[in-house]
Amino acid sequence: GAGVSQSPSNKVTEKGKDVELRCDPISGHTALYWYRQRLGQGLEFLIYFQGNSAPDKSGLPSDRFSAERTGESVSTLTIQRTQQEDSAVYLCASSRTGTGGNGYTFGSGTRLTVV
Amino acid sequence: QKEVEQDPGPLSVPEGAIVSLNCTYSNSAFQYFMWYRQYSRKGPELLMYTYSSGNKEDGRFTAQVDKSSKYISLFIRDSQPSDSATYLCAMSASRGAGSYQLTFGKGTKLSVIP
Repeated sequence: GAGVSQSPSNKVTEKGKDVELRCDPISGHTALYWYRQRLGQGLEFLIYFQGNSAPDKSGLPSDRFSAERTGESVSTLTIQRTQQEDSAVYLCASSRTGTGGNGYTFGSGTRLTVV
Repeated sequence: QKEVEQDPGPLSVPEGAIVSLNCTYSNSAFQYFMWYRQYSRKGPELLMYTYSSGNKEDGRFTAQVDKSSKYISLFIRDSQPSDSATYLCAMSASRGAGSYQLTFGKGTKLSVIP
């Protein structure tokens, strides 16, 4: 596609439920990143994929968070047993390779609200 | 001390003013420096990136990096109401396995008043 696509754009869920967030990167982009943006905070790194492997998962905040990627395509971020502190905008980004010199292209994010 | 410090503002300027946005950082391993612009309810959009110390210009935008002082700046000339957004500085270093995790500042909210 022309850009990074994320769905749903908004999600309201009850505390304790599981949620799945989807990211469709730009075609041909091998590197994919998930970030979290809490209100009034900077972006927090969650996980990095190169192809379908995740060599850097250091940002996942707890074992309730997991992510997978199919080939060099769609990625899903799953949050189990959601808590109120999980409320945030979850942003996905992709780039052609893992190079850091020219940044990434972000999607518009999924706004998650846990009530 | 946070790795990247950025004054959150808000910053309000009249149309046509020169805007100066700044970040400081503590990690000398950072190699790449970027500025992103984020409109409300949108993802960040890459504005500028630089690798070395010095200036880089693109239209009304100039990015400046001073590695010796661990200080980066973004200047916006002839600011327009459409420049009203949150500006995020970001920087990265290799973490191995091809990962270049970006570390972001909290962002500065800018309003340009017509």
